[in-house]
Amino acid sequence: QKEVEQDPGPLSVPEGAIVSLNCTYSNSAFQYFMWYRQYSRKGPELLMYTYSSGNKEDGRFTAQVDKSSKYISLFIRDSQPSDSATYLCAMRANTGNQFYFGTGTSLTVIP
Amino acid sequence: DVKVTQSSRYLVKRTGEKVFLECVQDMDHENMFWYRQDPGLGLRLIYFSYDVKMKEKGDIPEGYSVSREKKERFSLILESASTNQTSMYLCASSLGAGTSEDTQYFGPGTRLTVL
Repeated sequence: QKEVEQDPGPLSVPEGAIVSLNCTYSNSAFQYFMWYRQYSRKGPELLMYTYSSGNKEDGRFTAQVDKSSKYISLFIRDSQPSDSATYLCAMRANTGNQFYFGTGTSLTVIP
Repeated sequence: DVKVTQSSRYLVKRTGEKVFLECVQDMDHENMFWYRQDPGLGLRLIYFSYDVKMKEKGDIPEGYSVSREKKERFSLILESASTNQTSMYLCASSLGAGTSEDTQYFGPGTRLTVL
């Protein structure tokens, strides 16, 4: 079983829709959670960073962590064609140097 | 802003060639990482380094070696390139374990094709 599971999609939504992206994980030691956005043929860029359980909002983006269910989500409100990209979740424990990534979900927002 | 740069965006090499991929970060980060990214497989860690001259194997180190002679520079070496090493190679850096703001910052990637 992989440490981090993420549905690869592809996900296709109309412009203006609310998008929900999700990851599940198995390691209860994970404390820090990240979402990255990766445009085609580019490197991933950090989008959101959260610690432990709860919500964090940044503009149209909301990251949600439910440690009891080992489940994290990224919500995108009022989605735009420029949001079309692959979204990767990542997480790490409090100790150690390694980060653990999902395989990424491909999102297309149709104008 | 953290900046991670990689020496080449696109590279074409022949089977058996020795290939060097270089990565430089400008934020005095302790840790540096090399991944390869393939469709359906996601990011796979090849090697990482938590200090100058220190390295640790990741999940798929076979066929690769690394060098970190200076803190800001981390090189990935393919000793004898093979066609199954055709991939997107991503370098990343992070502050280091024990810091609450320890997130990874990625370079733009090098798309390597081995013929």
